[in-house]
Amino acid sequence: QKEVEQDPGPLSVPEGAIVSLNCTYSNSAFQYFMWYRQYSRKGPELLMYTYSSGNKEDGRFTAQVDKSSKYISLFIRDSQPSDSATYLCATPSGGYNKLIFGAGTRLAVHP
Amino acid sequence: GAVVSQHPSRVICKSGTSVKIECRSLDFQATTMFWYRQFPKKSLMLMATSNEGSKATYEQGVEKDKFLINHASLTLSTLTVTSAHPEDSSFYICSARAVGEYGYTFGSGTRLTVV
Repeated sequence: QKEVEQDPGPLSVPEGAIVSLNCTYSNSAFQYFMWYRQYSRKGPELLMYTYSSGNKEDGRFTAQVDKSSKYISLFIRDSQPSDSATYLCATPSGGYNKLIFGAGTRLAVHP
Repeated sequence: GAVVSQHPSRVICKSGTSVKIECRSLDFQATTMFWYRQFPKKSLMLMATSNEGSKATYEQGVEKDKFLINHASLTLSTLTVTSAHPEDSSFYICSARAVGEYGYTFGSGTRLTVV
């Protein structure tokens, strides 16, 4: 079992839709979680991080963590074609806090 | 915010030659940097953890002699792909985390093509 599981998609939605991206993790010792967005042939850029259970909102993005079920989500409201990218969940682990990534979900928002 | 600069953005080299990729933290010091490899439509695969002033820590299955990592200063780590072969063609990305920051900052990546 992978430490962080994420459905690779692809996910295709119309412009304006609410998008829900999800990951599950297996190790209850993981303490905080990040969501990255990666455009094709670019490095990942940090969207949000969350430390505790609950919701964290930033503009059109909401990150949600449920530590009891080991489930993390990213919601995108009023999705735009510019949101088309791969979204990766990640959590630091180990002595050097190396990031463990999910598989990444490819999202396409069509006009 | 923290910025990581990676150079070159793309490189084409002949089989058997070596290629060096640089990763610089521009506005913070990074005692630890990470090197990833990414295949098309796949997630990032950690290759090694680069530690300033000491040897890098490689992930299982990564050839230390092929992927040489040097972290000689608090703002610079380099990855050298030695005796490159076509199967080394890939997208290489570095990252680092500034002290006090939760998030890790990534470079823009280097696309290596070995012909």
